[in-house]
Amino acid sequence: EIVLTQSPGTLSLSLGERATLSCRASQSFSNNNLAWYQQKPGQAPRLVIYGASSRATGIPDRFSGSGSGTDFTLTISRLEPEDFAVYYCQQYSRSPLTFGGGTKVEIK
Amino acid sequence: EVQLLESGGDLVQPGGSLRLSCAASGFTFSSYAMSWVRQVPGKGLEWVSAISGNGGSTYYADSLKGRFTISRDNSKDTLFLQVNSLRVEDTAVYYCAKERYSTGFFDYWGQGTLITVSS
Repeated sequence: EIVLTQSPGTLSLSLGERATLSCRASQSFSNNNLAWYQQKPGQAPRLVIYGASSRATGIPDRFSGSGSGTDFTLTISRLEPEDFAVYYCQQYSRSPLTFGGGTKVEIK
Repeated sequence: EVQLLESGGDLVQPGGSLRLSCAASGFTFSSYAMSWVRQVPGKGLEWVSAISGNGGSTYYADSLKGRFTISRDNSKDTLFLQVNSLRVEDTAVYYCAKERYSTGFFDYWGQGTLITVSS
């Protein structure tokens, strides 16, 4: 199975700062079949990015995704209060579907 | 508006069984693959099982094969997960999630239902 490793585990940043989250895969996969989800306490995950770089419906353009092969990045250009949450990457290139362990973005 | 509403979670003893349900609305249920994803409280997400739109194909995480069974009733827009021989480590919130067509990523999630396995 493809193992996804997210780093850092926790990112402490201030409002307006740039957040850069990493997701590294144990195997290269094609078609950029990688998604990112945001999860706030007590809530279900919410799709943010799919296809490595396409924003989901309703996601503001301060969120962007990039990468290919084994290295993927989620960038939040200027953190807003509602962006502080845990972010998970997920690959859907090969079964079983797998998720990364998550990166928590917290207020510094 | 797409809505997914899970139910059926409960406190159960080790070795017990439960049937989870997910009632869907706001989209043509039979056209979309669906999955169950679970999350141990305070931990990450784990894909459990998926089923095609017509129910003809099912997929499971290797570690759960044989104990969990996914199914759907397209006449009632409902997804199910039968969970048997429950273990303490199965304690988690179980989410149903709608796939965007048959891509493998999830554009809508339910609010989750909690299974607690404890004696």
